[in-house]
Amino acid sequence: NAGVTQTPKFQVLKTGQSMTLQCAQDMNHEYMSWYRQDPGMGLRLIHYSVGAGITDQGEVPNGYNVSRSTTEDFPLRLLSAAPSQTSVYFCASSQPGSPRGWKLFFGSGTQLSVL
Amino acid sequence: QQQVKQSPQSLIVQKGGIPIINCAYENTAFDYFPWYQQFPGKGPALLIAIRPDVSEKKEGRFTISFNKSAKQFSLHIMDSQPGDSATYFCAASKNAGGTSYGKLTFGQGTILTVHP
Repeated sequence: NAGVTQTPKFQVLKTGQSMTLQCAQDMNHEYMSWYRQDPGMGLRLIHYSVGAGITDQGEVPNGYNVSRSTTEDFPLRLLSAAPSQTSVYFCASSQPGSPRGWKLFFGSGTQLSVL
Repeated sequence: QQQVKQSPQSLIVQKGGIPIINCAYENTAFDYFPWYQQFPGKGPALLIAIRPDVSEKKEGRFTISFNKSAKQFSLHIMDSQPGDSATYFCAASKNAGGTSYGKLTFGQGTILTVHP
């Protein structure tokens, strides 16, 4: 199984550009989420989804959009990139129920630099 | 504000030593406390987790100690090995009728180096 697949692995953007970070999982997990990882800050939740067509904001949602049209895919859109969005982005998935719901399966990350 | 505070930021031990990483939380609604391990270039992976109704959980060389009254928990790695060198994150989550699944609040991370 591939698990959680993120593309691209690396990306450089100029301020103001838009782009979409792709995330796909093949485990039929209902829950998917996006986190950003910054030095000294740990991982912070951007957006999450509890199923197709259902999304909600996390701790740091500003400047990002998400949609979930299928169970497998959960893309993250940067509307107008800013240097503050330079970070490593992780997509994760999990199954509902306790304690399975809190076992997150992470992708390998996308390293984004905004100049 | 950082709801889960983790220390130290970095830790260096010799092989066989027992590194200890500490976390403190503020929100008493948290009821699940996992630890994740991350190797360079990889995403975090669940290592071990504990619920607040127990004071200790052990899996292999990894042990979580939990102090509910102090709102603190810690990770101990027994007989540490160079292969344990990684970044460790504590986290917390609260059960809000199922809608909290997949939503974790992470600590800042600890970079552990185990020298041979």
